[in-house]
Amino acid sequence: GNSVTQMEGPVTLSEEAFLTINCTYTATGYPSLFWYVQYPGEGLQLLLKATKADDKGSNKGFEATYRKETTSFHLEKGSVQVSDSAVYFCALGLNDMRFGAGTRLTVKP
Amino acid sequence: KAGVTQTPRYLIKTRGQQVTLSCSPISGHRSVSWYQQTPGQGLQFLFEYFSETQRNKGNFPGRFSGRQFSNSRSEMNVSTLELGDSALYLCASSWGLGEGKNIQYFGAGTRLSVL
Repeated sequence: GNSVTQMEGPVTLSEEAFLTINCTYTATGYPSLFWYVQYPGEGLQLLLKATKADDKGSNKGFEATYRKETTSFHLEKGSVQVSDSAVYFCALGLNDMRFGAGTRLTVKP
Repeated sequence: KAGVTQTPRYLIKTRGQQVTLSCSPISGHRSVSWYQQTPGQGLQFLFEYFSETQRNKGNFPGRFSGRQFSNSRSEMNVSTLELGDSALYLCASSWGLGEGKNIQYFGAGTRLSVL
C-alpha cells in the first residue's frame, strides 16, 4: 500500500546549521507530496508541496524536490532558526493522505 | 477567512462513555477528514467526508463514526471509550476530496483524555 517513511528524530541543531530531514515513499500511482509542520499546541500547517516528479516545493527557506527515481522528498533548509523548532511531517496524497511518523526538530540558540 | 474550528479543545471522559467532537471547515470547503494523533502511532487517518457522504475510511473499529451535515460541518463520535482512545483528534478541510491535489487545512485539534 501507499506509505511514507521519514527520518526518526529527535533532531537537535544549533541556530544557522543546515537541516535535512529524509523522507521516502511507496506508492502505486503518481502521488502529490507534502511537508507539514506542527508547532506546539497547534494543528498541522502546510509547509510546501510538489505535485509531480522533479517539482521543487519551497517556502520560508525550506525546500524539497520530488525525486521519482529515488522515491524521495527530503526537506532541507540552509540555516535554521530557533523559531523553526517544531514537528515536521512528510505526507503522500493519492486516494487519501498518508503521513509519516513526524520528526521533532529543536533548534538551540 | 476563518480557519478550521474544532470544539471542544479539551475533553476528559471515563471508560465506557461516549464522546462527540465537532469540526467546522473553512467556508467553501466541502471535504472534511479526521485523524487521530498519538505519540505511539503517530497520525492515523480515520475517515473522510465529502458532500455528506463518507468517501474513505481508515482502519479503526466501528466504535468510531462520523457524519457531515449539509453545511459541511462534521462530527465524529466515539462510543464505549477505551483508555487507548486518549489522543489528539485533528480535523482537516479541503476544497475537494483528499486526493493529494487538494491542500488540507488543519484545525488545532481536540485533546481527549480517557480516564
